[in-house]
Amino acid sequence: NAGVTQTPKFQVLKTGQSMTLQCAQDMNHNSMYWYRQDPGMGLRLIYYSASEGTTDKGEVPNGYNVSRLNKREFSLRLESAAPSQTSVYFCASSWDYEQYFGPGTRLTVT
Amino acid sequence: KNQVEQSPQSLIILEGKNCTLQCNYTVSPFSNLRWYKQDTGRGPVSLTIMTFSENTKSNGRYTATLDADTKQSSLHITASQLSDSASYICVVSARGSYIPTFGRGTSLIVHP
Repeated sequence: NAGVTQTPKFQVLKTGQSMTLQCAQDMNHNSMYWYRQDPGMGLRLIYYSASEGTTDKGEVPNGYNVSRLNKREFSLRLESAAPSQTSVYFCASSWDYEQYFGPGTRLTVT
Repeated sequence: KNQVEQSPQSLIILEGKNCTLQCNYTVSPFSNLRWYKQDTGRGPVSLTIMTFSENTKSNGRYTATLDADTKQSSLHITASQLSDSASYICVVSARGSYIPTFGRGTSLIVHP
Protein backbone atom coordinates (compact mmCIF):
# COMPACT_ATOMS: atom_id res chain seq x y z
CA ASN A 1 0.00 0.00 0.00
CA ALA A 2 1.33 3.41 -0.96
CA GLY A 3 -0.93 5.19 1.56
CA VAL A 4 -1.46 8.84 0.54
CA THR A 5 0.47 10.07 -2.48
CA GLN A 6 0.81 13.64 -3.71
CA THR A 7 2.12 15.13 -6.95
CA PRO A 8 4.12 17.15 -7.64
CA LYS A 9 6.62 17.27 -4.76
CA PHE A 10 7.85 20.75 -5.69
CA GLN A 11 6.44 23.50 -7.89
CA VAL A 12 7.34 27.08 -8.71
CA LEU A 13 4.65 29.30 -10.22
CA LYS A 14 4.52 32.88 -11.36
CA THR A 15 1.79 35.12 -9.98
CA GLY A 16 -1.42 34.57 -11.93
CA GLN A 17 -0.57 31.07 -13.17
CA SER A 18 -2.85 28.15 -12.38
CA MET A 19 -2.11 24.61 -11.32
CA THR A 20 -3.68 21.51 -9.80
CA LEU A 21 -2.21 19.53 -6.92
CA GLN A 22 -3.07 15.86 -7.09
CA CYS A 23 -3.75 13.53 -4.18
CA ALA A 24 -4.65 9.85 -4.12
CA GLN A 25 -5.15 7.29 -1.35
CA ASP A 26 -5.36 3.52 -1.58
CA MET A 27 -6.80 2.82 1.88
CA ASN A 28 -10.47 3.03 0.86
CA HIS A 29 -11.06 5.98 3.21
CA ASN A 30 -14.20 8.04 2.87
CA SER A 31 -12.82 11.37 4.09
CA MET A 32 -10.05 13.41 2.50
CA TYR A 33 -8.52 16.78 3.37
CA TRP A 34 -6.27 19.52 2.02
CA TYR A 35 -4.12 21.52 4.46
CA ARG A 36 -1.51 24.19 4.14
CA GLN A 37 1.41 24.60 6.53
CA ASP A 38 3.26 27.87 6.93
CA PRO A 39 6.27 28.57 9.17
CA GLY A 40 5.25 29.14 12.80
CA MET A 41 1.64 28.17 12.13
CA GLY A 42 -0.28 24.98 12.67
CA LEU A 43 -1.74 23.11 9.75
CA ARG A 44 -4.76 24.96 8.44
CA LEU A 45 -7.61 23.23 6.67
CA ILE A 46 -8.38 24.49 3.16
CA TYR A 47 -11.12 22.09 2.05
CA TYR A 48 -12.33 18.66 2.99
CA SER A 49 -14.48 15.94 1.52
CA ALA A 50 -16.41 13.85 4.02
CA SER A 51 -17.33 11.32 1.35
CA GLU A 52 -17.25 10.83 -2.39
CA GLY A 53 -19.40 13.47 -4.06
CA THR A 54 -19.22 16.06 -1.27
CA THR A 55 -16.79 18.89 -0.55
CA ASP A 56 -16.82 21.61 2.11
CA LYS A 57 -14.81 24.70 2.93
CA GLY A 58 -12.35 24.66 5.77
CA GLU A 59 -10.63 27.49 7.57
CA VAL A 60 -8.80 29.12 4.61
CA PRO A 61 -10.62 28.28 1.32
CA ASN A 62 -10.21 31.59 -0.53
CA GLY A 63 -8.23 31.25 -3.77
CA TYR A 64 -8.67 27.47 -3.97
CA ASN A 65 -11.06 24.98 -5.51
CA VAL A 66 -11.27 21.24 -5.04
CA SER A 67 -12.60 18.21 -6.86
CA ARG A 68 -13.34 14.82 -5.35
CA LEU A 69 -12.89 12.88 -8.55
CA ASN A 70 -13.73 9.51 -7.02
CA LYS A 71 -13.20 7.79 -3.68
CA ARG A 72 -9.43 7.62 -4.21
CA GLU A 73 -8.63 11.06 -5.60
CA PHE A 74 -9.00 14.59 -4.25
CA SER A 75 -7.40 17.46 -6.17
CA LEU A 76 -6.70 21.07 -5.17
CA ARG A 77 -6.68 23.80 -7.81
CA LEU A 78 -5.20 27.26 -7.67
CA GLU A 79 -6.87 29.28 -10.42
CA SER A 80 -4.68 32.39 -10.18
CA ALA A 81 -1.72 31.87 -7.89
CA ALA A 82 -0.65 34.62 -5.51
CA PRO A 83 2.56 34.97 -3.45
CA SER A 84 0.45 34.49 -0.30
CA GLN A 85 -0.19 30.93 -1.47
CA THR A 86 3.48 30.04 -1.11
CA SER A 87 3.31 27.17 1.36
CA VAL A 88 3.62 23.45 1.89
CA TYR A 89 0.40 21.62 1.03
CA PHE A 90 -0.57 18.35 2.65
CA CYS A 91 -3.31 16.00 1.64
CA ALA A 92 -4.74 13.57 4.20
CA SER A 93 -7.32 10.84 4.35
CA SER A 94 -9.04 9.50 7.42
CA TRP A 95 -10.80 6.49 8.84
CA ASP A 96 -12.45 6.81 12.24
CA TYR A 97 -10.26 9.16 14.31
CA GLU A 98 -7.03 8.54 12.46
CA GLN A 99 -5.68 10.84 9.75
CA TYR A 100 -2.98 9.73 7.33
CA PHE A 101 -0.93 12.42 5.62
CA GLY A 102 0.84 12.52 2.30
CA PRO A 103 4.45 13.69 1.90
CA GLY A 104 3.48 17.23 0.91
CA THR A 105 3.89 19.58 -2.05
CA ARG A 106 6.19 22.56 -1.60
CA LEU A 107 4.78 25.43 -3.68
CA THR A 108 6.51 28.73 -4.31
CA VAL A 109 4.70 31.59 -6.05
CA THR A 110 6.95 34.39 -7.31
CA LYS B 1 -13.39 29.41 19.33
CA ASN B 2 -11.66 26.04 19.51
CA GLN B 3 -7.97 26.40 20.29
CA VAL B 4 -4.98 24.17 20.96
CA GLU B 5 -1.91 25.64 22.67
CA GLN B 6 1.37 23.77 22.87
CA SER B 7 4.39 24.41 25.03
CA PRO B 8 7.24 24.85 24.87
CA GLN B 9 7.61 26.19 21.35
CA SER B 10 11.02 24.58 21.08
CA LEU B 11 13.17 22.33 23.22
CA ILE B 12 16.76 21.15 23.07
CA ILE B 13 17.83 18.10 25.03
CA LEU B 14 20.76 15.71 25.14
CA GLU B 15 20.48 12.20 23.76
CA GLY B 16 19.31 9.75 26.39
CA LYS B 17 17.39 12.33 28.43
CA ASN B 18 13.63 12.36 28.96
CA CYS B 19 11.33 15.24 28.10
CA THR B 20 7.66 16.21 28.36
CA LEU B 21 5.66 18.29 25.91
CA GLN B 22 2.42 20.00 26.89
CA CYS B 23 -0.89 20.59 25.12
CA ASN B 24 -3.84 22.63 26.43
CA TYR B 25 -7.09 22.81 24.51
CA THR B 26 -10.48 24.48 24.58
CA VAL B 27 -12.16 22.23 22.00
CA SER B 28 -15.69 21.28 22.97
CA PRO B 29 -17.47 18.91 22.98
CA PHE B 30 -14.35 16.77 23.12
CA SER B 31 -14.03 13.71 20.90
CA ASN B 32 -10.37 12.74 20.69
CA LEU B 33 -6.81 14.02 21.00
CA ARG B 34 -3.94 12.92 18.82
CA TRP B 35 -0.20 13.45 18.93
CA TYR B 36 1.71 13.50 15.66
CA LYS B 37 5.42 13.49 14.88
CA GLN B 38 6.53 15.48 11.85
CA ASP B 39 10.06 15.04 10.56
CA THR B 40 11.53 17.90 8.54
CA GLY B 41 10.21 17.81 4.99
CA ARG B 42 7.73 15.00 5.68
CA GLY B 43 4.04 14.70 6.49
CA PRO B 44 2.85 14.20 10.10
CA VAL B 45 2.71 10.64 11.39
CA SER B 46 0.40 9.57 14.19
CA LEU B 47 1.91 8.59 17.55
CA THR B 48 -1.15 8.17 19.78
CA ILE B 49 -4.90 8.71 19.77
CA MET B 50 -6.90 9.15 22.98
CA THR B 51 -10.62 9.41 23.51
CA PHE B 52 -12.48 10.78 26.52
CA SER B 53 -12.28 7.57 28.52
CA GLU B 54 -8.53 7.08 28.09
CA ASN B 55 -6.05 8.89 30.31
CA THR B 56 -2.80 7.31 29.16
CA LYS B 57 -1.53 5.60 26.06
CA SER B 58 1.93 4.41 25.08
CA ASN B 59 3.68 3.83 21.79
CA GLY B 60 7.18 2.54 22.47
CA ARG B 61 9.16 5.32 24.16
CA TYR B 62 6.27 7.76 23.71
CA THR B 63 3.61 8.02 26.44
CA ALA B 64 0.69 10.41 26.15
CA THR B 65 -1.58 11.40 29.03
CA LEU B 66 -4.94 13.11 28.94
CA ASP B 67 -6.82 14.98 31.67
CA ALA B 68 -10.21 15.74 30.15
CA ASP B 69 -11.29 17.69 33.23
CA THR B 70 -8.49 20.25 32.96
CA LYS B 71 -8.30 19.89 29.16
CA GLN B 72 -4.60 19.12 29.20
CA SER B 73 -2.44 16.49 27.57
CA SER B 74 1.24 15.71 27.73
CA LEU B 75 3.60 13.67 25.61
CA HIS B 76 6.51 12.12 27.48
CA ILE B 77 9.52 10.87 25.54
CA THR B 78 11.78 8.46 27.38
CA ALA B 79 15.48 7.92 26.67
CA SER B 80 15.52 10.29 23.71
CA GLN B 81 17.30 9.39 20.48
CA LEU B 82 18.68 11.56 17.70
CA SER B 83 15.81 10.37 15.51
CA ASP B 84 13.34 11.97 17.93
CA SER B 85 14.37 15.37 16.55
CA ALA B 86 11.15 16.58 14.92
CA SER B 87 8.09 18.72 15.42
CA TYR B 88 5.40 17.23 17.68
CA ILE B 89 1.87 18.33 16.95
CA CYS B 90 -1.18 18.06 19.20
CA VAL B 91 -4.52 17.78 17.39
CA VAL B 92 -7.96 17.85 19.04
CA SER B 93 -11.29 17.00 17.42
CA ALA B 94 -14.76 17.96 18.55
CA ARG B 95 -17.56 15.43 18.55
CA GLY B 96 -19.49 15.51 15.28
CA SER B 97 -16.94 17.69 13.47
CA TYR B 98 -14.78 16.80 10.48
CA ILE B 99 -12.47 19.73 11.20
CA PRO B 100 -9.75 19.03 13.77
CA THR B 101 -7.92 21.84 15.55
CA PHE B 102 -4.14 21.73 15.26
CA GLY B 103 -1.59 23.14 17.67
CA ARG B 104 1.43 24.93 16.25
CA GLY B 105 3.75 22.18 17.40
CA THR B 106 6.80 21.85 19.62
CA SER B 107 10.13 21.65 17.83
CA LEU B 108 12.39 19.12 19.58
CA ILE B 109 16.11 18.91 18.90
CA VAL B 110 18.09 16.05 20.39
CA HIS B 111 21.85 16.63 20.55
CA PRO B 112 24.41 13.83 20.83
